[in-house]
Amino acid sequence: GENVEQHPSTLSVQEGDSAVIKCTYSDSASNYFPWYKQELGKRPQLIIDIRSNVGEKKDQRIAVTLNKTAKHFSLHITETQPEDSAVYFCAASQTGRRALTFGSGTRLQVQP
Amino acid sequence: EAQVTQNPRYLITVTGKKLTVTCSQNMNHEYMSWYRQDPGLGLRQIYYSMNVEVTDKGDVPEGYKVSRKEKRNFPLILESPSPNQTSLYFCASSLGLAKNIQYFGAGTRLSVL
Repeated sequence: GENVEQHPSTLSVQEGDSAVIKCTYSDSASNYFPWYKQELGKRPQLIIDIRSNVGEKKDQRIAVTLNKTAKHFSLHITETQPEDSAVYFCAASQTGRRALTFGSGTRLQVQP
Repeated sequence: EAQVTQNPRYLITVTGKKLTVTCSQNMNHEYMSWYRQDPGLGLRQIYYSMNVEVTDKGDVPEGYKVSRKEKRNFPLILESPSPNQTSLYFCASSLGLAKNIQYFGAGTRLSVL
C-alpha cells in the first residue's frame, strides 16, 4: 500500500519567516495530495490540496508544489503568523484505492 | 449546519468491555472513514465506507468493526477493547475521496484500562 513520509517532525520559525514542510510518497499511482491543519485540541481541517495534473497551487500565503517524477510534494507558508502554529499533515490517495494515507505530521511553532 | 458528530467525546473503559463510538453526518456524504491518531504516527485509517453496506479495511483494522446500514451513520465498534486501543479517534466524511474535502468530527478520546 501507500506510504507517506513527512519531514520535519517539528519546525520552529520566527514570525514573518517562511516555513516549508516536505512529504514523499511511495505509490506512483497516487493522484490526490491534500494538506490538513490541526490546531491544539481541535479536528484536522483541509487547508489546500493538489492533484497530479498540476505542479503548483497557491492560496494567499500558502502554496503546495508537486514533483511527480521524484514523488514528493511540499507545503510552503510565507509571512508566517502566530496563528499558523499547529500540526500539519500531508496525505496521499488515488482514485480507485479509496483510502487516504497520512504522513506523521509536523508541529509548526511560529515565535512572535 | 453541516457537521460530523461523534459521541462520546471522552470515554474511559476497561479491557474487554464492548463499546461503540457513533458517527453521524448531515451532508448526505457517500464516503465515511474512521482514523486513530497517536503521537508520532499521525492519522491512520481504520476502516472506510464508500456507501451504504460497502465497507473496507484501512491500514489498522485489527480489533475494530464498523457498519454502514444508513448513509448518515458509521459507528465504530470495539468488541473487546485492549489498552493498545487507547487513542484519539476521528470520524470523517466527504462526497467522494479523491476530489472532495474530508470533514472531520471533533474526535473521541478513548482510554482503555
